[in-house]
Parts: sequence; C-alpha cells; structure tokens
Amino acid sequence: DGGITQSPKYLFRKEGQNVTLSCEQNLNHDAMYWYRQDPGQGLRLIYYSQIVNDFQKGDIAEGYSVSREKKESFPLTVTSAQKNPTAFYLCASKLSGTVAVMEKLFFGSGTQLSVL
Amino acid sequence: DQQVKQNSPSLSVQEGRISILNCDYTNSMFDYFLWYKKYPAEGPTFLISISSIKDKNEDGRFTVFLNKSAKHLSLHIVPSQPGDSAVYFCAASAQRGSTLGRLYFGRGTQLTVWP
Repeated sequence: DGGITQSPKYLFRKEGQNVTLSCEQNLNHDAMYWYRQDPGQGLRLIYYSQIVNDFQKGDIAEGYSVSREKKESFPLTVTSAQKNPTAFYLCASKLSGTVAVMEKLFFGSGTQLSVL
Repeated sequence: DQQVKQNSPSLSVQEGRISILNCDYTNSMFDYFLWYKKYPAEGPTFLISISSIKDKNEDGRFTVFLNKSAKHLSLHIVPSQPGDSAVYFCAASAQRGSTLGRLYFGRGTQLTVWP
C-alpha cells in the first residue's frame, strides 16, 4: 500500500531544543516538500527537494533544516532558532521534480508540533 | 506576496444546494490549477484539477471553472452534502520558469454544509 508516512503524529518541543519530524514515502516520487499550516495562513512552503541530495529553501525556511540522502526520506529539523514552531506540519511528494509535467501533490497525515 | 488568493475564509451552505468556492491568482505563468480538501488534523487530499488549455473540468458533483483573462477559478459542488464540510485549498503551478512544478496555495475556505 503506497503512501506518505509522517511521524510522530504529535510532538512537543522544549525551549532551546531541536526536534526532527520524519517523512517517508514509498511512491517512488522524486520530489518532496515540507509545508507548515497555521490557522488562517494556509499552507506555506518551508523546504523542497526535487531530487536526491538536493534541496531548496521555500518561503519560510529560517529556523528549519532538511536533508535528502535517500529518495524515500525527507526529514525536517525544527531548530531552536525557530521562535514560533507551534504549527501543523505537512510533508508531500510528487512523481517528477525536474520534468515539466502537470502532477498533483500527495500529502502525509501531518505532525502537530507544540512548544512546552 | 500571496500569488493565490481565496478571499472568503468561510462559506455556509444548506445541504442539497450549490457551493461555490472562489480563487484568484496573480501570476500569469500559472497554467495548472488544483483544488484540495482538508479535514482537521489530516493531510489535504486532491479533489480536482484543470489545465490552462481548458475552461471547465467536471468530476461527479465537482466542477472547476477557469477564466484565464480574469485570472479566476471557481469550484462548484452540486449538490452539497454535510460530508463536504472541510477546508478547501486552491493551488496553482507553472510548468515553465524557475518555479517549475512548485505549488502555490491559497489560505483556504472553510465550507460548512448544514442539514
């Protein structure tokens, strides 16, 4: 059963702590994305990766870091530099990263991050 | 700067009636448009899409209309059902240029369908 798995579903961060959100896909997709959802703000792009070992900053990358060492995995680290990390985080993927094809994004079920 | 705008944060419709959700965009390079539906604490799910070579696409109760000259699209749901109550996101992408394939999302419209 193919899909995108995000874990954990709920995560709590203490002051000054880095936390890592996991995103794994078995859809054989090249491109992966991290979005943040805040109430009334819609979906804002944090980072994206069009191919393994490459990634680009989105609109709100400050305070976040990512890696893309494997095609299936795109973990997001929320660092202590991110002063307002409480949000719902969504990982997504699509088949092609660098080819001009009209494709939809597939989303995971999200991780709710809260600050203690 | 918001390139995709959904100016109505909420819409309330009676069951059985038509729901019309609107979306405007500013980037003339956008040529592919999608609608997603999202329930609380879940990821968005794809609903329907349209490319810029069409002005209408229909899938069951859902129809998307595209007016390129006005840079406007709308999603019609007929008839509306209580299970349609969710947040609906409009999204757009350009198949050319430096933002190849990246999706830009609106802020969403909360649709409530009441019995």
